[in-house]
Amino acid sequence: EAQVTQNPRYLITVTGKKLTVTCSQNMNHEYMSWYRQDPGLGLRQIYYSMNVEVTDKGDVPEGYKVSRKEKRNFPLILESPSPNQTSLYFCASSHHDLNSVTGELFFGEGSRLTVL
Amino acid sequence: AQSVTQLDSQVPVFEEAPVELRCNYSSSVSVYLFWYVQYPNQGLQLLLKYLSGSTLVKGINGFEAEFNKSQTSFHLRKPSVHISDTAEYFCAVSPFQGGSEKLVFGKGTKLTVNP
Repeated sequence: EAQVTQNPRYLITVTGKKLTVTCSQNMNHEYMSWYRQDPGLGLRQIYYSMNVEVTDKGDVPEGYKVSRKEKRNFPLILESPSPNQTSLYFCASSHHDLNSVTGELFFGEGSRLTVL
Repeated sequence: AQSVTQLDSQVPVFEEAPVELRCNYSSSVSVYLFWYVQYPNQGLQLLLKYLSGSTLVKGINGFEAEFNKSQTSFHLRKPSVHISDTAEYFCAVSPFQGGSEKLVFGKGTKLTVNP
């Protein structure tokens, strides 16, 4: 089954304790992205990756890091989490071809993070 | 740059009533248009998309949307809703020649279908 898998789904942590949210897709997609969803603000893009070893900042990258060492994985790293990073996080992936139209984004089920 | 405005943050309706969720966009270039749906405790999934051709687009679960270039709108409609349509709906736009990285989402409309 084609899917985007995120872990953990729920996490409560404390300020300053480094954490990683993993994301893996099994569709051989070139493009992967992280979003955060907050009430009244919709989805905001944190970072994205067009392919292995290629990452770029989205709209709200401060306080986050990413890496793309393998095509299927795109972990989101919070080096020193703060309460304003309490949010619902989504990973998404799609096929990317410069000669084609925008591909459909496939989303994971979300990771709800609370930073105390 | 593109922007998306979803005019209603919440829309309550009764079961079997028709519904319209409004979406307006702003862009200096031609765009592709999308509606995504997020059911409770799930990720987003594509409901329908407009790339070219007929301005009336049909999607899953009986939803349809109409692209109106002159009014820069892409409103989502369903003639008769079910309880199971309760979800949050996101309108999104992407410019021609752009990839998924240029997709811009609206802030969402929460549809609540009451019995």
